[in-house]
Amino acid sequence: GNSVTQMEGPVTLSEEAFLTINCTYTATGYPSLFWYVQYPGEGLQLLLKATKADDKGSNKGFEATYRKETTSFHLEKGSVQVSDSAVYFCALSVFNDYKLSFGAGTTVTVRA
Amino acid sequence: SAVISQKPSRDICQRGTSLTIQCQVDSQVTMMFWYRQQPGQSLTLIATANQGSEATYESGFVIDKFPISRPNLTFSTLTVSNMSPEDSSIYLCSVQGFQETQYFGPGTRLLVL
Repeated sequence: GNSVTQMEGPVTLSEEAFLTINCTYTATGYPSLFWYVQYPGEGLQLLLKATKADDKGSNKGFEATYRKETTSFHLEKGSVQVSDSAVYFCALSVFNDYKLSFGAGTTVTVRA
Repeated sequence: SAVISQKPSRDICQRGTSLTIQCQVDSQVTMMFWYRQQPGQSLTLIATANQGSEATYESGFVIDKFPISRPNLTFSTLTVSNMSPEDSSIYLCSVQGFQETQYFGPGTRLLVL
């Protein structure tokens, strides 16, 4: 079956620190990979995605590279801001299955 | 990406009652999904709702408890029936976009007393 394992939180950082959230996956076939972000009191927003091996998704200073050899899709940002405080979810979807498999979520708090 | 709205945004309900949550999309979509997010947890898929057919429920979710309607390509409802405090969650709808991407509504925050 399909599954996503995500780094446990919570993660607390100071402003301008480097952020990495690890995500590894197991999938039948070749999945598309996603990072979603949930700001306090809001729904999920798509942060970035990658649909094939070696693709790099990027948005709002965040990046993640689809690594087939290590079955990983780690999220990184070089300099976080207080406004990046949120819960981050790694997810995958396999072609023609349409269902999203989510990781457990990682709560990130950035202090000024 | 689609613009998705949900009503109500939040509600407080008494046990034993039912609540219907509406999901409206600004464009026609084939596939819509309903998720539950229990406090501090990840998302769990309740069911997939396609227009013109019965919803497909995931293991652990049944139609009597979570009836779903999908009358057209821009609208769906989820009813949480005979509620108990364990139903207190955020309920989110989503739609299927390009390249297996799903876009989510803002969620409905439900508290059952």
